[in-house]
Parts: sequence; structure tokens; C-alpha cells
Amino acid sequence: QQQVKQSPQSLIVQKGGIPIINCAYENTAFDYFPWYQQFPGKGPALLIAIRPDVSEKKEGRFTISFNKSAKQFSLHIMDSQPGDSATYFCAASMDSSNTGKLIFGQGTTLQVKP
Amino acid sequence: DTEVTQTPKHLVMGMTNKKSLKCEQHMGHRAMYWYKQKAKKPPELMFVYSYEKLSINESVPSRFSPECPNSSLLNLHLHALQPEDSALYLCASSQDWPGAVNQPQHFGDGTRLSIL
Repeated sequence: QQQVKQSPQSLIVQKGGIPIINCAYENTAFDYFPWYQQFPGKGPALLIAIRPDVSEKKEGRFTISFNKSAKQFSLHIMDSQPGDSATYFCAASMDSSNTGKLIFGQGTTLQVKP
Repeated sequence: DTEVTQTPKHLVMGMTNKKSLKCEQHMGHRAMYWYKQKAKKPPELMFVYSYEKLSINESVPSRFSPECPNSSLLNLHLHALQPEDSALYLCASSQDWPGAVNQPQHFGDGTRLSIL
């Protein structure tokens, strides 16, 4: 119940395409869902985050869609660029745990071809 | 550049050595974290400090010993490590909790540790 399942494991798109990465969870107590972007040799960087009371959130070219009833959320990258090539992790946590503990998905390696 | 600074960036040590990893943040965050990340895997939580007190130890072997000397610094002391401990060790920090609604965790770029 503590798992976050992420798919696909890897993704290749052409420049300008819209890669979509999906995550699913079981624990309905999760109430915070961040996405992290990680480049080789770097630490994860927070990209965008959403809470269950919102169905969609946009920041620049990045959009999170959230479906509370289906317990799924996804990241869309509009007009993708080669510089977006990185590993993306979704995560989930719950305020009530008072721990700040993040449960990460397994990651998606994205390659954007020029 | 990240606001969480980790040193050293790379560390090679033998199984009998003692070394320390250091992490520093000046964002006024009162929660600090150590993670371990293997290649092509997500970060795994090791320890959490809140207000300089250890609040979570994820059943980490005693050969890893964390220390939080003040609100800006976090150390991870290493002793008698095994080859399987080779990994990227990440430090992160976030605004204080409990009570705070989930705050973003800011990661450093990690220390790449190799055990010979």
C-alpha cells in the first residue's frame, strides 16, 4: 500500500513531442505528490508538485494531471526539448505521517531526440 | 547550483577506513535527510533529522552514523563499509515540521562513494 508505481521505465520522443509519465498509488492517505527531475551526476530537483484538491497544475511546459478517484497522476512535458532528457521520479507523501517521508516511483528515463 | 552543498563530490575508501560525508544548507530549513541512491534506482531514505534530533532511522546498519551538529550541518560518518554500500549519497532539506504542511525537499548533488 505504500508503493508508487511509475511507468514507462524509459521513453524516447522527438523534439516538440509531449512525453507523458504515469504514476499510480494505493494509499488514499497520500496528500502530496511531487515530481523530481534528475540529470546524470546531479541530485534530484523538484519540478512541480500537486495536492489532491487540484486536478491539474501547470508550471511552464510541465503539467501534472491528477485523478483522485483513479488514484493516478501524470506528468506531461509540452514542446519537449533535448535539454529535458533526464530521469523523472514521481513521489508521494502524507502530512499525517509528520515525517516528510517521500515514497518514490521507480523512475522514467526520458530521451528527447533533436 | 543547488542550495544544499555536499562534500566531497567523490570518495573512494577501503573497507577498513573511517570517513565522513558533509552536508550544509543555509535556507533556514529545520528538517534534513540522508538518502542512498543506486544507479537507475530512486533515492532510498536512510535518516531524517528534525530540529537537530534524529527522528527516523530506516533500519540502516550501524556502520552508517549520522550527526547533526547544528541546524545548517548534517554529517554521515562511515566505518567498515561493504562493497554493496557503493552508491550516490544524497542530502536533502526542507522547511520545519511537524505541523508544517508537506514542504518540498531540496536535494544536494550527492557524494559518489566507492568502496574498494
